[in-house]
Amino acid sequence: GAVVSQHPSRVICKSGTSVKIECRSLDFQATTMFWYRQFPKKSLMLMATSNEGSKATYEQGVEKDKFLINHASLTLSTLTVTSAHPEDSSFYICSARGPTGLNEKLFFGSGTQLSVL
Amino acid sequence: QKEVEQDPGPLSVPEGAIVSLNCTYSNSAFQYFMWYRQYSRKGPELLMYTYSSGNKEDGRFTAQVDKSSKYISLFIRDSQPSDSATYLCAIGFNFNKFYFGSGTKLNVKP
Repeated sequence: GAVVSQHPSRVICKSGTSVKIECRSLDFQATTMFWYRQFPKKSLMLMATSNEGSKATYEQGVEKDKFLINHASLTLSTLTVTSAHPEDSSFYICSARGPTGLNEKLFFGSGTQLSVL
Repeated sequence: QKEVEQDPGPLSVPEGAIVSLNCTYSNSAFQYFMWYRQYSRKGPELLMYTYSSGNKEDGRFTAQVDKSSKYISLFIRDSQPSDSATYLCAIGFNFNKFYFGSGTKLNVKP
């Protein structure tokens, strides 16, 4: 099956710093990628939809200036958590739709555990 | 009313049992139905995908969609301890918008 690579898998940072998380589709082109946040024992909460070459679409309540998303190529989307604070600590997961055609599905990265001290 | 409802469990079964996991949904226009398995602190792994309606089988896993009842199921035959995980359903109109269930935590006891 299609592979989506996400890294880092774990990051610990100090309050006030910025953290970048990368999401890559390894064997298909993903025109659309999604970013989620997941709290312990809770389901996925969609944060934003990222389309290659255009601005991301953020869900209601998600601060676009805090969670910067860039989708510069068909295989790479990045999420930057700016000026991170302890309340931003969470498990962040990306997904990508692809490959285009009858076999299109939604594939997930392995997730990034962010801990802000 | 939530778009997708899923019993969070936990569901505990003995090894070898048949497991039935279910989700209900509110919008009859949903066409895409997927089941994911998620181990702790890992990303969800796609198990089964169904478009529109009907059944699909893959090894020990069977996915069913009942559009008249707005109900989907995932059956696991001959369950193994390695099947212990959280199972998420994902339902949507298209690939731009999916609604996820809250996940059912399954524990298969040896």
